[in-house]
Amino acid sequence: DAMVIQNPRYQVTQFGKPVTLSCSQTLNHNVMYWYQQKSSQAPKLLFHYYDKDFNNEADTPDNFQSRRPNTSFCFLDIRSPGLGDAAMYLCATSRGQQETQYFGPGTRLLVL
Amino acid sequence: SQELEQSPQSLIVQEGKNLTINCTSSKTLYGLYWYKQKYGEGLIFLMMLQKGGEEKSHEKITAKLDEKKQQSSLHITASQPSHAGIYLCGALYSSASKIIFGSGTRLSIRP
Repeated sequence: DAMVIQNPRYQVTQFGKPVTLSCSQTLNHNVMYWYQQKSSQAPKLLFHYYDKDFNNEADTPDNFQSRRPNTSFCFLDIRSPGLGDAAMYLCATSRGQQETQYFGPGTRLLVL
Repeated sequence: SQELEQSPQSLIVQEGKNLTINCTSSKTLYGLYWYKQKYGEGLIFLMMLQKGGEEKSHEKITAKLDEKKQQSSLHITASQPSHAGIYLCGALYSSASKIIFGSGTRLSIRP
């Protein structure tokens, strides 16, 4: 089945230790998104790629970076995780920018 | 004040009963999404509404967008344990905008 896959599902890292979260898709969608969702809050868009074009949200901290080496994969790099970065990180894809977004299962990040 | 508000924040319903969740926008919507999220998991797409007065149904879930395109309701008929989860609405305010999500309504079904 076509889907959005996120690995790992759970990630524990230490304060300040870089961490990379991964997302892959078999939908062949052009757009890939990264959201941060803290407990009982709405998902917050960090950035998205339309093909290779990177679009950063204005309030996304510099600590967060992303890479999209090809259509299928997108990575979220957190350079120096702080305690406040502990959250669920959701990857989503859509065929076009204004089309329905399909989400992966998320990666829950814990920062010790 | 919030741009997009969902009510109620949480809801406990006896199995078999009907329920309604609301999503209200302070601005006119270009489109409105409904997603469901199980605890600790990703969002599952339910429906998307775009036209004023539009209504869509999937199994026992019906979503409506009002004529003014500022409010949407999600109605579940004869609720089941499988309906439990967090329901999120997501607003589009233009053809070029990102989705703005509400904080969600946490639904529990009591056997």
